[in-house]
Amino acid sequence: DQQVKQNSPSLSVQEGRISILNCDYTNSMFDYFLWYKKYPAEGPTFLISISSIKDKNEDGRFTVFLNKSAKHLSLHIVPSQPGDSAVYFCAASELTGGGNKLTFGTGTQLKVEL
Amino acid sequence: DGGITQSPKYLFRKEGQNVTLSCEQNLNHDAMYWYRQDPGQGLRLIYYSQIVNDFQKGDIAEGYSVSREKKESFPLTVTSAQKNPTAFYLCASRQHTEAFFGQGTRLTVV
Repeated sequence: DQQVKQNSPSLSVQEGRISILNCDYTNSMFDYFLWYKKYPAEGPTFLISISSIKDKNEDGRFTVFLNKSAKHLSLHIVPSQPGDSAVYFCAASELTGGGNKLTFGTGTQLKVEL
Repeated sequence: DGGITQSPKYLFRKEGQNVTLSCEQNLNHDAMYWYRQDPGQGLRLIYYSQIVNDFQKGDIAEGYSVSREKKESFPLTVTSAQKNPTAFYLCASRQHTEAFFGQGTRLTVV
């Protein structure tokens, strides 16, 4: 049972345009969400996170939006740059419950074209 | 330098042999994790530990074992019972919010 889903395996965007990566979850107990970027044969690096008490968090070119009623979050990258080409994973956990289990989605391969 | 160290980066083993992957962190984090990455399957949780001397099974624990005798160390043993051990293994540690990952170990069983 996949509790965190990224239904788009790949996304192609032109340089300078907006990239929107989507993530859906099924567990209503999740209250903390994270986005990671990963290059081949390397460990993921943390990008941005959001708590369930917020609906938006922004850090430079990266903005994460959370829609709790829809159990959906998205990562917006504006403007997209060629160096953003990587696999992006969303992850979720139950922080207030004291649980440390961190569940990841299947990832979306982003390609930013010149 | 604070961080997570996985060793070795590449590991080859013969089928039927047990192998142990190392993960060390000096971030003083309580929680540590092992994930496995296969093409098209994202990061799947094998085991995690919230505190020393305690660990829980993740979603794909069969054929794996772990120990957490020290806060900074969380080794993963891939046993001969794991049917498809060839994969990229990632270790992470976490204190409340974001998790930090090591550089991974590519295990190839021949």
